[in-house]
Amino acid sequence: DVQVVESGGGLVQPGGSLRLSCTASGFTFTSSYMTWVRQAPGKGLQWVGSVNEQGSEKFYVASVKGRFTISRDNAQNSVYLQMDRLRVEDTAVYYCASDPGWGQGTLVTVSS
Amino acid sequence: QSVLTQPPSVSAAPGQKVTISCSGSSSNIGKNDVAWYQHLPGTAPQRLIYDNNKRPSGIPARFSASRSGTSATLGITGLQTGDEADYYCGTWDSRLNAYFFGTGTQVTVL
Repeated sequence: DVQVVESGGGLVQPGGSLRLSCTASGFTFTSSYMTWVRQAPGKGLQWVGSVNEQGSEKFYVASVKGRFTISRDNAQNSVYLQMDRLRVEDTAVYYCASDPGWGQGTLVTVSS
Repeated sequence: QSVLTQPPSVSAAPGQKVTISCSGSSSNIGKNDVAWYQHLPGTAPQRLIYDNNKRPSGIPARFSASRSGTSATLGITGLQTGDEADYYCGTWDSRLNAYFFGTGTQVTVL
């Protein structure tokens, strides 16, 4: 069975940092693009960014470029989202997504 | 904010059919493959369709999709109460160099 599990969400003040982790199993992780998607309260899905199979190519939505960094560790079947200089508008449920399946999400709240 | 426009909601009785449109442009749907996702609030979203009209294993044939020009359509036949969810189209935009989800459509089974 495909399993994707996110962790690391929580409450952080504006300007702070948070690192999300995602661990996957049940499929060939090293052959899969991995993507982070978020959903702000009452809003639709928004693509945050993606990383290719080797971790050599990364793509980001304009609003997080320069603040968020995606990385992956294929030995650990894991992908990460380092979020710096967080803003109130980054408040959302963050999902880790692969073609075979998505996680349940982890809530990030940016508030003073 | 999205470059892909969907109707906010559609509804039909159990057993009936609904279609959801996704309107884009030449730099996204007109150039790149479309996927469709089902999202029940509080759960993990699920990909229903990839490459415009292909279903991953385990997705029932009641779900079908097509792409024509700068628009795409998802159809759900034999509507069931379990189909009540939000549905999103998604594709890459080659001009903006970013992936976009549609605005989302809420399906209600009457």
